[in-house]
Amino acid sequence: DQQVKQNSPSLSVQEGRISILNCDYTNSMFDYFLWYKKYPAEGPTFLISISSIKDKNEDGRFTVFLNKSAKHLSLHIVPSQPGDSAVYFCAARVGAGSYQLTFGKGTKLSVIP
Amino acid sequence: EAQVTQNPRYLITVTGKKLTVTCSQNMNHEYMSWYRQDPGLGLRQIYYSMNVEVTDKGDVPEGYKVSRKEKRNFPLILESPSPNQTSLYFCASWRVTGELFFGEGSRLTVL
Repeated sequence: DQQVKQNSPSLSVQEGRISILNCDYTNSMFDYFLWYKKYPAEGPTFLISISSIKDKNEDGRFTVFLNKSAKHLSLHIVPSQPGDSAVYFCAARVGAGSYQLTFGKGTKLSVIP
Repeated sequence: EAQVTQNPRYLITVTGKKLTVTCSQNMNHEYMSWYRQDPGLGLRQIYYSMNVEVTDKGDVPEGYKVSRKEKRNFPLILESPSPNQTSLYFCASWRVTGELFFGEGSRLTVL
């Protein structure tokens, strides 16, 4: 049973436009969400996170939105740059004391110059 | 520089030949974990360790062993590798800011 779902395996966006990556979850106990970015031949790197007590967190060009009632979060990248082309993983954690992350399958973003 | 270091980065082996993938972190993190990444399946946790001598199974532990004798090291052991363990493996440790810090990955091929 997949608890964190990224239903779009891939996404193509023109440089300068907005990229929106979506993530849905089924476990209502998740209370902390993270996005990771992964380039080929490298390990995933942390991008941005959001606690369930918030509905938005912003860091430069990256904003994560959380809709708890819909069990949905999204990552917005504005403006998109070619260097943003990577696989993006959504992850979720249950409780502040938990050390286990559940990952989605990832979305491959291609930003076209 | 904060690092999670894995070795080897690339390995081709044959079925049944025991191998160990080492993982070392220099950040004094208590929690460490192993993940495997497969096409269409994302990142799945194999084993994790809360501290020295404390380990537990993740989502896909079959065919793997781990040990945590020292805080900085968390090796992944494949006693008798099989082709279905061909994968990209990542070791990670938990940062105090609340996110996992990953190594660069070890690509393993079992023939």
